[in-house]
Amino acid sequence: QSALTQPRSVSGSPGQSVTISCTGGSSDVGGYNYVSWYQQYPGKAPKLMIYDVSKRPSGVPDRFSGSKSGNTASLTISGLQAEDEADYHCCSYAGSYEWVFGGGTKLTVL
Amino acid sequence: EVHLLESGGGLVQPGGSLRLSCAASGFTFSTYAMTWVRQAPGKGLEWVSVISGAVDSTYSAHSVKGRFTISRDNSKNTLYLQMNSLRAEDTAIYYCAKVGRYCDSTSCYTSWRFDYWGQGTLVTVSS
Repeated sequence: QSALTQPRSVSGSPGQSVTISCTGGSSDVGGYNYVSWYQQYPGKAPKLMIYDVSKRPSGVPDRFSGSKSGNTASLTISGLQAEDEADYHCCSYAGSYEWVFGGGTKLTVL
Repeated sequence: EVHLLESGGGLVQPGGSLRLSCAASGFTFSTYAMTWVRQAPGKGLEWVSVISGAVDSTYSAHSVKGRFTISRDNSKNTLYLQMNSLRAEDTAIYYCAKVGRYCDSTSCYTSWRFDYWGQGTLVTVSS
């Protein structure tokens, strides 16, 4: 399985919205509604932010939302806050009990 | 509160072996699938291996198949990763994570998400 494709970095000002894309293929992102997104601060463990494309775990602010179109999933963060500055990783189930991650995107809050 | 604590990382020579452990608490360990995910220095996450709650099924990424073995001891609430024939490219922080689950009125099913993660343990393969 090849890694999913994410932009290396994105940026936005406080209060703005940013969208991070995650592109795979028909055998992963396009084939299943099982895309998840993880937030990771430097030196810390990843934290689940979105699962099943657009569902939010309890405690995750509704500023975070997910969507999918074809082979590309997206994470949108609205009302950007300084604390959102982190790395974001997408992940897709790829069938046969295998998962594939993206390369990660560094979000900078200007 | 769910808590996962990895241990066993360290420096090992190429071709060597290492066994990682992940002690779990705060949930009924035996009823959840568990997984290992790694992150090479400065890189993204890479899924490594998964094991079902009942210990009857294991699956691994192609990059580690035949070299790494995932296992668990439900009596000790502990997950393991036996790593053999280690290579320089196996150098990474290794995280254990709990696989999500959803339940309806009659049964519970594995959900394809990793809902809790440990802090990780660093494995360095170098001579």
